Amino acid sequence: GAVVSQHPSWVICKSGTSVKIECRSLDFQATTMFWYRQFPKQSLMLMATSNEGSKATYEQGVEKDKFLINHASLTLSTLTVTSAHPEDSSFYICSARRGTGLIGELFFGEGSRLTVL
Amino acid sequence: QKEVEQNSGPLSVPEGAIASLNCTYSDRGSQSFFWYRQYSGKSPELIMSIYSNGDKEDGRFTAQLNKASQYVSLLIRDSQPSDSATYLCAVNGGYSTLTFGKGTMLLVSP
Repeated sequence: GAVVSQHPSWVICKSGTSVKIECRSLDFQATTMFWYRQFPKQSLMLMATSNEGSKATYEQGVEKDKFLINHASLTLSTLTVTSAHPEDSSFYICSARRGTGLIGELFFGEGSRLTVL
Repeated sequence: QKEVEQNSGPLSVPEGAIASLNCTYSDRGSQSFFWYRQYSGKSPELIMSIYSNGDKEDGRFTAQLNKASQYVSLLIRDSQPSDSATYLCAVNGGYSTLTFGKGTMLLVSP
């Protein structure tokens, strides 16, 4: 399958600091990437859709000023959790769509586990 | 509201048996369907995609789609303990993002 790389895998930070997570599609260009969050024993929750060269589309209830998304190239999207708090501790997973329309397949990065102290 | 429903499980099967995972979806206009496997603490991994009615086989995995009944299933033959994971059903209605079910936990006992 396609390769989507996410970095860092683990991050621990102090409350109030900002954390940046990178998502790269290594062997295909992705005009659209997606950011998910998953709490323990819960399902994937879509946070936002990242579109190359334009503003991200956020899901209802997700604060765009807190979760900054940048999709500057066809292979890289970043998620910055600003002024992180303990309740932001979660497993953040990016995904990238290979192909377009109905036949596009979604591939996931390895995920980034964030712990805010 | 597009919904994808899965039994949360756990579904327990003995090693070597066939595991049958089921999924129903609400959007009749859905066109593409995916099964992902997620091990605990890991991100989902795509294992099957299916776009037309009928069966699609890939190794020990068979995906089955019935659009009239809005039903998609995944069969795992000769189940192995390493198949123990949560299986996520995902549905795409068009150019929108995938809608995921909450997943079914599968436990394969040696």
